[in-house]
Amino acid sequence: EPEVTQTPSHQVTQMGQEVILRCVPISNHLYFYWYRQILGQKVEFLVSFYNNEISEKSEIFDDQFSVERPDGSNFTLKIRSTKLEDSAMYFCATRRDTQETQYFGPGTRLLVL
Amino acid sequence: AQTVTQSQPEMSVQEAETVTLSCTYDTSESDYYLFWYKQPPSRQMILVIRQEAYKQQNATENRFSVNFQKAAKSFSLKISDSQLGDAAMYFCAYRSAEKETSGSRLTFGEGTQLTVNP
Repeated sequence: EPEVTQTPSHQVTQMGQEVILRCVPISNHLYFYWYRQILGQKVEFLVSFYNNEISEKSEIFDDQFSVERPDGSNFTLKIRSTKLEDSAMYFCATRRDTQETQYFGPGTRLLVL
Repeated sequence: AQTVTQSQPEMSVQEAETVTLSCTYDTSESDYYLFWYKQPPSRQMILVIRQEAYKQQNATENRFSVNFQKAAKSFSLKISDSQLGDAAMYFCAYRSAEKETSGSRLTFGEGTQLTVNP
């Protein structure tokens, strides 16, 4: 069964550094999402992406965040200058055009030191 | 804005017994979807079951079933014949069906940590 994949599985970075988290969606899925989960807290929506543009974003998704689909397959989340509070699990999710269900990747565990 | 509340931070159940996890939500919309996701220690988010608000019939997936009470805005998950592998964090989530051209974000509850005792 096709799955959403994410790389890297773990990333440790220094505060102020840029990180890029990558997601490979299921092949016929057209809607893409990023969520994050700070340890011990609920899962929070960051941004959704459709037809090569952002369709919705939360208040968390400020100017230090960006998303793109550079090569038609990967879907990336970039954090320009990481802060300590960006330490979290970041999940990519995707869904088909005619389906309600979002399928999640395994997540990237980001630790900012 | 929609909110989802899970009032049970932790629950436990004996193996082979039945347990019910509670979820309530607040919305002014009439058309939406509700989901239960399971998050084992690996932290992968796994879909357990989903319910369309326009359907009166409660969804069922093998040992998992829901009690959807639209008027009460309640969406509980029942796990029958609990197994050790059911131990996980369970999240209830809401998604609007009225914004088909927008992102249709999922709004999650705080989660319920389920322990299954042998």
